[in-house]
Amino acid sequence: GAVVSQHPSWVICKSGTSVKIECRSLDFQATTMFWYRQFPKQSLMLMATSNEGSKATYEQGVEKDKFLINHASLTLSTLTVTSAHPEDSSFYICSANPGTSGYEQYFGPGTRLTVT
Amino acid sequence: QKEVEQDPGPLSVPEGAIVSLNCTYSNSAFQYFMWYRQYSRKGPELLMYTYSSGNKEDGRFTAQVDKSSKYISLFIRDSQPSDSATYLCAMSALGTGRRALTFGSGTRLQVQP
Repeated sequence: GAVVSQHPSWVICKSGTSVKIECRSLDFQATTMFWYRQFPKQSLMLMATSNEGSKATYEQGVEKDKFLINHASLTLSTLTVTSAHPEDSSFYICSANPGTSGYEQYFGPGTRLTVT
Repeated sequence: QKEVEQDPGPLSVPEGAIVSLNCTYSNSAFQYFMWYRQYSRKGPELLMYTYSSGNKEDGRFTAQVDKSSKYISLFIRDSQPSDSATYLCAMSALGTGRRALTFGSGTRLQVQP
């Protein structure tokens, strides 16, 4: 149980274009989903927290107009990187919390974004 | 000072060894403690999840939490080459409303066959 999927697993795009990444909880409903960014050999950096049906909460320093997050249902959250630039190239990982009494998060497999 | 400190390693051990991974933290409000395993270019996988102090065992893995010392550990018995990965500790405070986790920087483990 507690499986989270992400799509696509790897994407290459040109500078200036937008890319959408999907995160789905496959066997549970996720009231809260999280988006992280990870650079090589570094730990996870939380970008934003999204709750179903409400606006995402962004961490300090994360541009909300650049990283658009939508949590339209209890099983789907999307991250759109708008007007991507090479410095946005990174590993993006989502996670989901089942929303019961616990605080554990279940992670997706990640999406590797390369902006050329 | 970071809220959660974790030795980045790398830690290299022979197959069959007992591995000890540790994190210290400064926020006394942390109540939920997790250990994740992350293989290269993959998402983290939840290994152990404990609440407050005490021990929890699951197969070859044992998690310990000592809140008085603000110290948590993960022990891996009979380590295997397939255990080679980065291990991340994570924790959360009760009642913050955010359900966000604070992660350690991760310890890279290499189990030599």
